[in-house]
Amino acid sequence: QKEVEQNSGPLSVPEGAIASLNCTYSDRGSQSFFWYRQYSGKSPELIMFIYSNGDKEDGRFTAQLNKASQYVSLLIRDSQPSDSATYLCAVNPGTYKYIFGTGTRLKVLA
Amino acid sequence: DAGVIQSPRHEVTEMGQEVTLRCKPISGHDYLFWYRQTMMRGLELLIYFNNNVPIDDSGMPEDRFSAKMPNASFSTLKIQPSEPRDSAVYFCASRAQGDQPQHFGDGTRLSIL
Repeated sequence: QKEVEQNSGPLSVPEGAIASLNCTYSDRGSQSFFWYRQYSGKSPELIMFIYSNGDKEDGRFTAQLNKASQYVSLLIRDSQPSDSATYLCAVNPGTYKYIFGTGTRLKVLA
Repeated sequence: DAGVIQSPRHEVTEMGQEVTLRCKPISGHDYLFWYRQTMMRGLELLIYFNNNVPIDDSGMPEDRFSAKMPNASFSTLKIQPSEPRDSAVYFCASRAQGDQPQHFGDGTRLSIL
């Protein structure tokens, strides 16, 4: 059973702090990794994707991938109340269907 | 560019009725996915298509659920007869060939009374 695990939260951080969201996956052959943000009552929205070990930065967001340890992280710098949402990790285990985690709820406190 | 388009946005109907959800994928995308999301079970993959052909329908919960993709720009998910436990948000997503991200539609919020 291929799995993607996320802490459900809520993860509470003060405004301006760094939010760190983590995701572990079970299939060592997984090839690509995606982070989605989902506001309450809305659809998942792609934030970032990463294919190679290391860091990938896009504005205030950084995705970190460590294939040896089978985890992928999303860092949000200078967190804003508007970042409060559920963040879904998705993994491509080498098949055509991606595996989604259950999401981590982030609350940024003003 | 237009994203994935779903209709209707909201559907309220009585149990036993037939429900049809519609999806138009992003032009040029070869894969189309139907998901269901609830608080209890999170995001569940129901079925996906590649080049209009159903590839994996193992997530379809019961025979009451069926999905079709008659052409590259249109898919339907049908529930007949509907039951209150089918109440959920149903998302359609599409993606291009290769290791590409999926893009989601706005979803259909379905309530079966």
